[in-house]
Order: sequence, then C-alpha cells, then structure tokens
Amino acid sequence: GAVVSQHPSRVICKSGTSVKIECRSLDFQATTMFWYRQFPKQSLMLMATSNEGSKATYEQGVEKDKFLINHASLTLSTLTVTSAHPEDSSFYICSARENMGGYFHFGNGTRLTVT
Amino acid sequence: GDSVTQMEGPVTLSEEAFLTINCTYTATGYPSLFWYVQYPGEGLQLLLKATKADDKGSNKGFEATYRKETTSFHLEKGSVQVSDSAVYFCALISRSGGGADGLTFGKGTHLIIQP
Repeated sequence: GAVVSQHPSRVICKSGTSVKIECRSLDFQATTMFWYRQFPKQSLMLMATSNEGSKATYEQGVEKDKFLINHASLTLSTLTVTSAHPEDSSFYICSARENMGGYFHFGNGTRLTVT
Repeated sequence: GDSVTQMEGPVTLSEEAFLTINCTYTATGYPSLFWYVQYPGEGLQLLLKATKADDKGSNKGFEATYRKETTSFHLEKGSVQVSDSAVYFCALISRSGGGADGLTFGKGTHLIIQP
C-alpha cells in the first residue's frame, strides 16, 4: 500500500534552534500535503495545507514565520520549526493526499522535544 | 464550520466484548466519513470509510454505517481483542483554509482492551 515516510521520528533540540521535519510519499504523488499537530490525549489540529509549487496556507492562529513549509516536489514536503521554544514541543504528523484516488496517508509522526 | 464529536474515553472493555464508539458530525453538504486508528507512538491508519448515506464501511471486523438522518457514523465491533487497543478517530472531509479538501477529526477515543 501507499506509504508516507516522515523523518525524524524523534528529535530533541535546544531552545532557539531550528528543526526540519521531512514528509515523503514513497510510491505515489501528492500535490497536496497537510501538517498536523497533536497534543497529548487530544485530536489532530490542522496547522497548514501545502500545495506543490505554491505557498502553504496556514490555519488561523498558526504562525507562518515560525512554521515554515516547503513543498518543492510531488513527493516531498518539509516543516521547519524555527527558533523553537519549549511550548513547541509536540507530536507533528504529516498527511499526503494521493493525486490518484484522493486517499489520505499519514506519516508515523515526529516527537519534538525542545529543552 | 464542520465538526466531529465522538465519545470521550478511555473506553475499557474485556476481550470479546461488543464495542460501540459513537461519532456524530456537523457539516454542510454530504461529507465523506472515516475512522482512523492510531497505535501508540505511530501515525494514523485508515480503518474504514463511507462516502454516501447508508454506506457501510468495514474492515478487520469493524463496521460503521453512514446515517444521514442522525448525522452519525458509529464504530462497532462484535468481539474486540487486546490488539484492538488504540486511539480511534472519527473524521470527515471538509474544505480547509488551503482550499483543498482536508480532514476534520474528532478528539479521539482511547480504547483499552483487557485480557
């Protein structure tokens, strides 16, 4: 089946540094990818929608200068958390929507801890 | 906007018990409905889906029927196993701020099955 590879699975960084998370669709093309944030025991909150070759669209309340999204190809989107702070610690999950069929596939998530 | 409401957890059952996890939705038009499952430390996997009224989605012994009249999509399984322990998310396709169809999730229901 279709696979989305999200890397890294865990990252610990110091406050003030930046972290990049990659999301790749391994065997399908995805013009549209989504980035979610999940707090403990809570649902997934959509942060932004990225479309290949264009600027991402952010949901209300999400700082676009803090969470930089790049979707340069049909198989790769990246999320960079800039100048990370402890409150950015969370579980980040990407989703890619198949161009053929329209199904959503999810990465295994990235656990970010900012110390 | 669109929203999904599902029963709060955790739900604790004994092995071989009957499972129901309630899910209701609010949406304009006729959304597609989904159940996703999240095992500890992993991303989300599609469990089943239904795209129109009276459709029944089924997979791995789980079933859910799209009920337009009650705007519900309750998840059921006749005999649960310990391996079914996970968090279950009800979701629908809505239009995200990005202009592309994105998933709106319920808060998730943590299911614990005891031997």
